[in-house]
Amino acid sequence: ETGVTQSPTHLIKTRGQQVTLRCSSQSGHNTVSWYQQALGQGPQFIFQYYREEENGRGNFPPRFSGLQFPNYSSELNVNALELDDSALYLCASSLAGGVGNNEQFFGPGTRLTVL
Amino acid sequence: SQKIEQNSEALNIQEGKTATLTCNYTNYSPAYLQWYRQDPGRGPVFLLLIRENEKEKRKERLKVTFDTTLKQSLFHITASQPADSATYLCALGDEGGATNKLIFGTGTLLAVQP
Repeated sequence: ETGVTQSPTHLIKTRGQQVTLRCSSQSGHNTVSWYQQALGQGPQFIFQYYREEENGRGNFPPRFSGLQFPNYSSELNVNALELDDSALYLCASSLAGGVGNNEQFFGPGTRLTVL
Repeated sequence: SQKIEQNSEALNIQEGKTATLTCNYTNYSPAYLQWYRQDPGRGPVFLLLIRENEKEKRKERLKVTFDTTLKQSLFHITASQPADSATYLCALGDEGGATNKLIFGTGTLLAVQP
């Protein structure tokens, strides 16, 4: 098990609602990335936070937003939920970018179902 | 846009044999490539990282090769065991290495029969 924790483990929402997912990174890691994994697919990069600033974003609309706190924990917020947002949301912590240290430690994920 | 492909079919092998998984990519020049293992309902677990200037990396029963000319990586598990059964994900690292962004393939399901 990695030291990355996520909450909640499961969540059911309806279309149009908003959701906040939380992640505590592994001790000593200053970078948090969020991924969306649909059933049968590989994880898709949403964005990355480094020292409380967004540092890289994938092809996701602005209704996906995030925060990183001084203790390096992070939140993912999704507004105006759509059915296609149903997926496993994964948080991964790591040391800062650069070719040297890029191993990522994933949490167990939050399973979001949008009805 | 970049594309990454892994064996779409599940791979079934007999215990003790070597499993070989393939990862091909196009329109991308990753600074590094990683392999992860994912069990059902759980997050991916890091296995190996190989950089663009490395040809081969080994760790215990695992071996990964990286051919930047062919744009291909091969992942080998020798002396496979039923406990190796899982989905294996190939992931391309950021081209400039400036972020930890990973582009994942869809994964290959490996089933090792006793």
